[in-house]
Amino acid sequence: GAVVSQHPSWVICKSGTSVKIECRSLDFQATTMFWYRQFPKQSLMLMATSNEGSKATYEQGVEKDKFLINHASLTLSTLTVTSAHPEDSSFYICSDRPYRDSGGAFFGQGTRLTVV
Amino acid sequence: AQTVTQSQPEMSVQEAETVTLSCTYDTSENNYYLFWYKQPPSRQMILVIRQEAYKQQNATENRFSVNFQKAAKSFSLKISDSQLGDTAMYFCAFMAYGGSQGNLIFGKGTKLSVKP
Repeated sequence: GAVVSQHPSWVICKSGTSVKIECRSLDFQATTMFWYRQFPKQSLMLMATSNEGSKATYEQGVEKDKFLINHASLTLSTLTVTSAHPEDSSFYICSDRPYRDSGGAFFGQGTRLTVV
Repeated sequence: AQTVTQSQPEMSVQEAETVTLSCTYDTSENNYYLFWYKQPPSRQMILVIRQEAYKQQNATENRFSVNFQKAAKSFSLKISDSQLGDTAMYFCAFMAYGGSQGNLIFGKGTKLSVKP
């Protein structure tokens, strides 16, 4: 079964509102998780690194005040898109940090955000 | 900075035939992993195969195998006996191991269509 669970799978919100996306590790303690964004027919681009108990690290060009990340526990990281606009519509995916014996990163199911 | 290049935006193969997807990368790191991920229409990222850079032996997973050429920085994926369920986007990914990051760097993807 899935070791990383992401919720919701899809969400439609009005422009100007905020949306929270949750990423849960189901059977391990995740001190680090990653948030990616994927535009249609494009690849995954790293947005930020979520660190348990400390501030997230954002990639260049990603607005930290728009994409708020909270990692308050070892099993939950959240991404909040604040004051959403239509250009924020995208597919957002979280993953854990691959470890040596893990075989590779586990990804959440992804969240399709549509801002109208 | 690391880069991953997939030069084939789209490919098609007949069912039961063999297809090879290309991937090249650039890095100055010595310790790293390479991955192939599959993203079907559901958009769930699924690990297909991984290769540790320090291993000379090419990784294999059932019908999937890689040709890892470290000196050439090449990492191609061979799918044998292609099945309709193999139709998906395939992403080549790089991860430097041992650093503080641990995130994956993805190529732009190859859309594979398996035809009956």
